[in-house]
Amino acid sequence: AQSVAQPEDQVNVAEGNPLTVKCTYSVSGNPYLFWYVQYPNRGLQFLLKYITGDNLVKGSYGFEAEFNKSQTSFHLKKPSALVSDSALYFCAVRDRGSTLGRLYFGRGTQLTVWP
Amino acid sequence: DADVTQTPRNRITKTGKRIMLECSQTKGHDRMYWYRQDPGLGLRLIYYSFDVKDINKGEISDGYSVSRQAQAKFSLSLESAIPNQTALYFCATSDPSSGGIYNEQFFGPGTRLTVL
Repeated sequence: AQSVAQPEDQVNVAEGNPLTVKCTYSVSGNPYLFWYVQYPNRGLQFLLKYITGDNLVKGSYGFEAEFNKSQTSFHLKKPSALVSDSALYFCAVRDRGSTLGRLYFGRGTQLTVWP
Repeated sequence: DADVTQTPRNRITKTGKRIMLECSQTKGHDRMYWYRQDPGLGLRLIYYSFDVKDINKGEISDGYSVSRQAQAKFSLSLESAIPNQTALYFCATSDPSSGGIYNEQFFGPGTRLTVL
């Protein structure tokens, strides 16, 4: 079975501090991993993905994520948080070997950055 | 994403009413999806379609039906709405033929549905 866990419902950080939003996954084979962000009253926007290659993936708005196969994790990070980063973040996974092509999403983590 | 549009954006209806949510896309993608979002539950897949002739149930299809009228249009229907179908509904598309963006999904702005 494929699944994604986001262990924190909320993450609060001060502006200028580094932020981490955690994600762990479970797939039967090798994964494709994604991060999406949802701003209030908006649809989900793609941030970044891991397909293969370098374990550190860089994405939009200064975000990056590190794929760790041994820990089955794909944590989202940013060196210096902005108030405008406050949003709901979703991790998603797809089994590379699946022919169905569907994504499995985590429950989401609400990030609040305080000025 | 303006390339994926959903109508209506907000809808309030009563228990037992039939309602249709519509999704249109100009991205030329073959794959389309319907999700519902509930607080604390993330996104759950209702139905997905890999082309006009291929429709598949997702994890929570009971109480819903879909129609893929064309490559660009994918509609979700609630034949007899009930209050626990109150949620935010998202349509999404993807294009597996574009290797660099394989399975990245593009989302519409969502439809907020309230069933009284």
